[in-house]
Amino acid sequence: AQSVTQLGSHVSVSEGALVLLRCNYSSSVPPYLFWYVQYPNQGLQLLLKYTSAATLVKGINGFEAEFKKSETSFHLTKPSAHMSDAAEYFCAVRINFGNEKLTFGTGTRLTIIP
Amino acid sequence: EPEVTQTPSHQVTQMGQEVILRCVPISNHLYFYWYRQILGQKVEFLVSFYNNEISEKSEIFDDQFSVERPDGSNFTLKIRSTKLEDSAMYFCASSLFRAAEAFFGQGTRLTVV
Repeated sequence: AQSVTQLGSHVSVSEGALVLLRCNYSSSVPPYLFWYVQYPNQGLQLLLKYTSAATLVKGINGFEAEFKKSETSFHLTKPSAHMSDAAEYFCAVRINFGNEKLTFGTGTRLTIIP
Repeated sequence: EPEVTQTPSHQVTQMGQEVILRCVPISNHLYFYWYRQILGQKVEFLVSFYNNEISEKSEIFDDQFSVERPDGSNFTLKIRSTKLEDSAMYFCASSLFRAAEAFFGQGTRLTVV
């Protein structure tokens, strides 16, 4: 069975500072990994995905994530935080063969300090 | 840009009542899903649907839940006899094929009183 762990339910960063949201996964087979963002009162929007191609994945809004198999990690980063980045971020994993369901982490609420 | 749309955005129902949540997936997508998020908890998979049948379901998706694609565009989730613990945000999602990313709707907030 697959699972993800997101370290830190709340993260606060200053505007312009580095954003780092942590995600570790567990999967018995090579995974597909995703980051979704949820703005207040909105649905889930895909930020980026890893599907066994390049290990450094670039997404929307300046976010990127690096797949590190040795560390079973898929941390999300952005060099310079913007006020509009305030949202809840979810890491999710899916086994890449014969399984459609996404397993989500508990989410990290990102607050941007002006 | 194509999107998944869900109606209603918020539904309040009395315990024991039946409720139907509606979704219009992206038109050329073939896989359809329901997820739910109880307030303060993680997003949980309920069911996936392909080729007019359930392809996978979670232990949450018991006999009180059912899904249907009644026509070529709608995808519905029915809860037969709602319980207080069914209160949650329900998300519909669709994907073009099995390995593709899922696109989520805005969600329906179900409140059972």
